[in-house]
Parts: sequence; structure tokens; C-alpha cells
Amino acid sequence: LAKTTQPISMDSYEGQEVNITCSHNNIATNDYITWYQQFPSQGPRFIIQGYKTKVTNEVASLFIPADRKSSTLSLPRVSLSDTAVYYCLVGDRVRSGGYNKLIFGAGTRLAVHP
Amino acid sequence: DVKVTQSSRYLVKRTGEKVFLECVQDMDHENMFWYRQDPGLGLRLIYFSYDVKMKEKGDIPEGYSVSREKKERFSLILESASTNQTSMYLCASSLPGGTQPQHFGDGTRLSIL
Repeated sequence: LAKTTQPISMDSYEGQEVNITCSHNNIATNDYITWYQQFPSQGPRFIIQGYKTKVTNEVASLFIPADRKSSTLSLPRVSLSDTAVYYCLVGDRVRSGGYNKLIFGAGTRLAVHP
Repeated sequence: DVKVTQSSRYLVKRTGEKVFLECVQDMDHENMFWYRQDPGLGLRLIYFSYDVKMKEKGDIPEGYSVSREKKERFSLILESASTNQTSMYLCASSLPGGTQPQHFGDGTRLSIL
């Protein structure tokens, strides 16, 4: 399974754009990149997933360069409620049953200040 | 929206007790998972089920068993609870397929005294 590396913590202010970069040098050809968000005392919540180039949804954008060895989660105009831990995962397709084995690292603790 | 419901948010049990953690999902997902989350260790997969009555061991199955008699319900059983099983337990479900995101419940914080 490809290992991911991301900053332990980040600070930002309300209204700013936040970019969290994740390194995954050993990503395999079939691997997808997925980001989850976790608030205290809640389970992780799926944010966005991509394979290459750029993906955008109503919550965030995901930028993946051509070599796919890194990815950047972009949160536009953050608010206090975006304070959470953000996890970058590289999905490995496990044949049996066809599921995505998730390896959560320590994640990035984002603190948004007023 | 997918709803994954775990029966208890907080649970306190004693060493040696048999403990049942229940999880129900309402989206007809084939896959269901049990994880535990501990500070500094991230989420670790305990067991996985890809169909009714089917199960596979995850990374840390020792001391646990599971039951899936109905598609929507996945139970985690601590056969004889020990203090090192004090943790946050998270249930998740997903459609089959390697790119399908997992949908998590809000967790059960279990304390074994």
C-alpha cells in the first residue's frame, strides 16, 4: 500500500483559501487518491476523490499533477466549521469482495481562526 | 444521504464481559467494516464483510468476532473484554468496488474497566 505524508498541522483564518498537500511517491497505477475529514467525536467523512488532473465538487477541489506523486486538497474560503483533521489516502483495490482498503495516517489538523 | 448508525455513543463495560457493538446502514451497501481508532495509531481495520454471513479478518482481529445475519446490520463482538480494547470503534459501509468511498458512523467510545 502506498504510504502518504502530509503536514501534521496547519493554521488559517476565516475567508482564506487553504491548500493541504499530500505526498505519495509510491502510488500504483490503479490507485485513486481520496480525502476524508474528521471532526472530534465523529467518524471520518468522505470529501473528494480523484485519479489525475483536477476534480471539483461543492466542498473542495483536488489537484493531482501528471506524475501523481502528490496531491493538493484546496478548501476555498474556510470558516470556523472547517476546523478538523484531514486525511489523505491512496486506495488500494483489494480483489476479495472489491473494496478499498483504507489506511488512515495521522492526518493534518487544520485550525481555522476568527 | 447514507446513514450509518451505531447503537451507542458511549459504553462502559468490565473486564471479562462479552460486549456487543451494533451497526446499521440504510443504503443497501454490500460492504461493511469495523475499525478502531486510537491516538497516534490512526484507524485500524478489525473485520470486513462483503455479503451476508461473509467476513474477512482485517489487520487486528484478535479478541474480536463479527456477525452479519442481515445485509443492513453488522455486529462487532468482544468475546471477553480487556482493558487494551478501550478505544473508539467506528463502523463504515460502502458499495462494492475499489474506488467506492466508505461512509462512517459517529463511533462508539468504549471503556473497559
